[in-house]
Amino acid sequence: AQSVTQLDSHVSVSEGTPVLLRCNYSSSYSPSLFWYVQHPNKGLQLLLKYTSAATLVKGINGFEAEFKKSETSFHLTKPSAHMSDAAEYFCVVNDLDTGRRALTFGSGTRLQVQP
Amino acid sequence: KAGVTQTPRYLIKTRGQQVTLSCSPISGHRSVSWYQQTPGQGLQFLFEYFSETQRNKGNFPGRFSGRQFSNSRSEMNVSTLELGDSALYLCASSSLSAHTDTQYFGPGTRLTVL
Repeated sequence: AQSVTQLDSHVSVSEGTPVLLRCNYSSSYSPSLFWYVQHPNKGLQLLLKYTSAATLVKGINGFEAEFKKSETSFHLTKPSAHMSDAAEYFCVVNDLDTGRRALTFGSGTRLQVQP
Repeated sequence: KAGVTQTPRYLIKTRGQQVTLSCSPISGHRSVSWYQQTPGQGLQFLFEYFSETQRNKGNFPGRFSGRQFSNSRSEMNVSTLELGDSALYLCASSSLSAHTDTQYFGPGTRLTVL
């Protein structure tokens, strides 16, 4: 069975400071992991994904994430926050579980960026 | 390429009614998945269709159903609406049905049940 835990429901940073959004996963097999962002009243946009290639994944808008199998983590980082990064972020796992290919979402982390 | 489109964007219904939501995937994509987003339960998987066949189903009652047409467009139907069905319904498409595939999401249909 697959599951995702986002360790912080809210994160607040100042503009120009680093961002760290934490995610731990549980998976029976070799998972695919994704980070999606959702701006208010909008759909979900893919930031980046991991599918067993390089463990450090670079995404759009300066975000990156590192897959750490030993820690079952897939934390999202960005060196310098921008006001436009304020949104809700979802860590997502998709495991090759028998008969199911469905995304399992974390509960989300709301990122606030202070001027 | 045009993105995933969903119609209508907003719906208001009353308890007991039924509703049909529509999703047009990205051109060439054959897999369409549906998700329900609520403040209390977050994002939950409803079902996935691939080449007109339901491949997977989430843990939702039988009032929730769907179908996919030969052009990959999909519809989702909810019968006998309940207040708890108020949610943002998101559709996502992908080219295949592999767990490595990226799913691209539409803007959603916001359903309000009164």
